[in-house]
Amino acid sequence: GAGVSQSPSNKVTEKGKDVELRCDPISGHTALYWYRQSLGQGLEFLIYFQGNSAPDKSGLPSDRFSAERTGGSVSTLTIQRTQQEDSAVYLCASSGTSYNEQFFGPGTRLTVL
Amino acid sequence: AQSVSQHNHHVILSEAASLELGCNYSYGGTVNLFWYVQYPGQHLQLLLKYFSGDPLVKGIKGFEAEFIKSKFSFNLRKPSVQWSDTAEYFCAVTLNAGNNRKLIWGLGTSLAVNP
Repeated sequence: GAGVSQSPSNKVTEKGKDVELRCDPISGHTALYWYRQSLGQGLEFLIYFQGNSAPDKSGLPSDRFSAERTGGSVSTLTIQRTQQEDSAVYLCASSGTSYNEQFFGPGTRLTVL
Repeated sequence: AQSVSQHNHHVILSEAASLELGCNYSYGGTVNLFWYVQYPGQHLQLLLKYFSGDPLVKGIKGFEAEFIKSKFSFNLRKPSVQWSDTAEYFCAVTLNAGNNRKLIWGLGTSLAVNP
């Protein structure tokens, strides 16, 4: 079946603009994670959704970052007033439950000029 | 804070050489352990995982890893590498505490295999 998909694959924006990144998890997967992969920083956790529970936002780096998950499926990560340090690859992963293997999407490469 | 350390940042090998990539984690409780691989131009995919049971786990493409609890280690091995193993390798752990099983990542090891 279809894997995790993300859009856009690449996004170039100007400093100060808002961006929205989309993730379509594997159908039926209840757990969804966002990670960020930066040069020199490695991969870091951003936010976690599990079913209809309140998300765990403990990894979001600032209040400019937010995410939502509608209908327990598609998720959108929004970055407001982007900064150059937000440039990274944003990865989405889903799993059948929170205890299972996570399957990753191809990522969105964000470049803030 | 919990962390994962990968000992080698860049490794260059010739085909047929043996590979061992080190991974250590810092956490006193129960963990699940993973190795993910990212081939050039592709997304992350699972190489192998350890949840419980036999500490020697076998993954795809001839890779294996051994969990040594006393050393907090989960080293990745392959007896004979191929050019197609050129990729970035990431060790990661999840903590068996709470519902959020976020992956805590090492910085990755870039492996280049020369034909």
